[in-house]
Amino acid sequence: EDQVTQSPEALRLQEGESSSLNCSYTVSGLRGLFWYRQDPGKGPEFLFTLYSAGEEKEKERLKATLTKKESFLHITAPKPEDSATYLCAVENQAGTALIFGKGTTLSVSS
Amino acid sequence: DAGVTQSPTHLIKTRGQHVTLRCSPISGHKSVSWYQQVLGQGPQFIFQYYEKEERGRGNFPDRFSARQFPNYSSELNVNALLLGDSALYLCASSGGLAPAYEQYFGPGTRLTVT
Repeated sequence: EDQVTQSPEALRLQEGESSSLNCSYTVSGLRGLFWYRQDPGKGPEFLFTLYSAGEEKEKERLKATLTKKESFLHITAPKPEDSATYLCAVENQAGTALIFGKGTTLSVSS
Repeated sequence: DAGVTQSPTHLIKTRGQHVTLRCSPISGHKSVSWYQQVLGQGPQFIFQYYEKEERGRGNFPDRFSARQFPNYSSELNVNALLLGDSALYLCASSGGLAPAYEQYFGPGTRLTVT
């Protein structure tokens, strides 16, 4: 069964304190792994797609990496505006749906 | 460019009633997917439509149905509403079928069933 597990559930950081979010996945034949950012009461905002182990992508203070079993979202020198829930998802075997984890809620204080 | 739009923004219904949610994809996108997100959980897949045909269905009861129109907009219908149907309903569009195409989400419709 396709499954995505994210850790930690919640993370509190001081402004400038770098850290990483983890996404472990179980899927038969990875077709794509996706990272989204979601603000309270809003729809998820697309961040990155990773397709193969070893791939890395960066956007501002965020960097996503992928191995054969997990993905990391590294946040460098975070700012309060980075506070949000970060969702990880993989494509199901049929390629028809995204399977999401529960997300990591990040709070960055100044 | 306009992103994915959904209507209404909020909706309050009573148990047993029926509801219709609407979604307009990004211009040029032919695929629309629907997801349900309950508080504290990640979105859960309900349906995917591509070129007006159902391409995938999640583990939801037959009370849930959807369709896609010739202009690629979509409706999600839920019959005989239950309290447990209270959630944020998300629509996502993509330019084609996975894996080459990312899904972009709308702001969602917040449904409350009392």
